Amino acid sequence: AQSVTQPDIHITVSEGASLELRCNYSYGATPYLFWYVQSPGQGLQLLLKYFSGDTLVQGIKGFEAEFKRSQSSFNLRKPSVHWSDAAEYFCAYDSWGKLQFGAGTQVVVTP
Amino acid sequence: GAVVSQHPSWVICKSGTSVKIECRSLDFQATTMFWYRQFPKQSLMLMATSNEGSKATYEQGVEKDKFLINHASLTLSTLTVTSAHPEDSSFYICSARESYEQYFGPGTRLTVT
Repeated sequence: AQSVTQPDIHITVSEGASLELRCNYSYGATPYLFWYVQSPGQGLQLLLKYFSGDTLVQGIKGFEAEFKRSQSSFNLRKPSVHWSDAAEYFCAYDSWGKLQFGAGTQVVVTP
Repeated sequence: GAVVSQHPSWVICKSGTSVKIECRSLDFQATTMFWYRQFPKQSLMLMATSNEGSKATYEQGVEKDKFLINHASLTLSTLTVTSAHPEDSSFYICSARESYEQYFGPGTRLTVT
């Protein structure tokens, strides 16, 4: 069955340190992949997306993600985390026009 | 661009009453909108797909008679929770589709007492 997995439920990172959030997908064809961020009590904001082409995708707020077909992964990275990056992050793929979300990763940023 | 609003942002209603949530695409037309439900510390669960001018398509396990969806125009979809009960308390989020992207509203917190 098609699915997207975020192995890490919770990640704690120090401010200024690098961050990597993992996302693995199970999908026959090349999927349309997305990363969203959700602040508490808020809707979702699109960070970046991958449809095709360059496998390294740049997004907003200094985030980037790399699509690796061989590993079925689409990991999100940021070189230096800011306290405002504390939020819930969701990986998702488009399945016939519907988004399938991973379980999410809660990011906590410590001083 | 691509802004989606929801109204109200939070609502408290009594058990047995109905409540309507509006989702609007402010600067684009959306033939397709989606309604999600999110429980605390959980992911989004797709409830239904709302298509302008036609009946909504509900996901398996979602009661269509309880969660009424209307998509009367290209910029407005509504979700009505009928005969609400405490277990319907949740965070409801809508999104509007433009091309291959979905733009999300800020969500509506529903509390049924």
